[in-house]
Amino acid sequence: NAGVTQTPKFQVLKTGQSMTLQCAQDMNHNSMYWYRQDPGMGLRLIYYSASEGTTDKGEVPNGYNVSRLNKREFSLRLESAAPSQTSVYFCASSDPTPRSTFGSGTRLTVV
Amino acid sequence: AQSVTQPDIHITVSEGASLELRCNYSYGATPYLFWYVQSPGQGLQLLLKYFSGDTLVQGIKGFEAEFKRSQSSFNLRKPSVHWSDAAEYFCAVVRVQGAQKLVFGQGTRLTINP
Repeated sequence: NAGVTQTPKFQVLKTGQSMTLQCAQDMNHNSMYWYRQDPGMGLRLIYYSASEGTTDKGEVPNGYNVSRLNKREFSLRLESAAPSQTSVYFCASSDPTPRSTFGSGTRLTVV
Repeated sequence: AQSVTQPDIHITVSEGASLELRCNYSYGATPYLFWYVQSPGQGLQLLLKYFSGDTLVQGIKGFEAEFKRSQSSFNLRKPSVHWSDAAEYFCAVVRVQGAQKLVFGQGTRLTINP
């Protein structure tokens, strides 16, 4: 099925640990995004990539890094996790219209 | 600053009643406008979008939204809600020019009373 695939779906980290959230899309979209969702705050953009080889900061980039590995894949890395990064993370990609397709999310808890 | 506001954090309606969810945006020019729905534990599904043209747009699941330029609003409506409509609803915008980044409102949680 065409769409956006995120892994893992759930993760528990200890403060200070690192991890990478993976995202892949098979719709040949140029643009890809990482959002975090927190109660009462909607979805906030962490980083985005307008095309392969380019990345830009969004609204809340601190504590995160990204890699646009190729056109399909866009990963989000937490180098030293903090409790404030407990959230649900969504990856998305969009076509030029623009119309976005979202992954099913990664629920991350940092203890 | 550019922003999207959904004034109602939580709305409760009875099954079969009509629904209107409010959305206001603050941008220098008319952006592209979207409504998404998120069921508990799920990702986001696009309900409808407005790019240009007819200001009343139809979406999936019987939803519609009306763009009003004078009020900078894009309110979502449904004539008769069903229990399955219980979810969180997000209004979002994308600037027409420049980087195509979705900016979301805070969301409105909809509860349906039987």
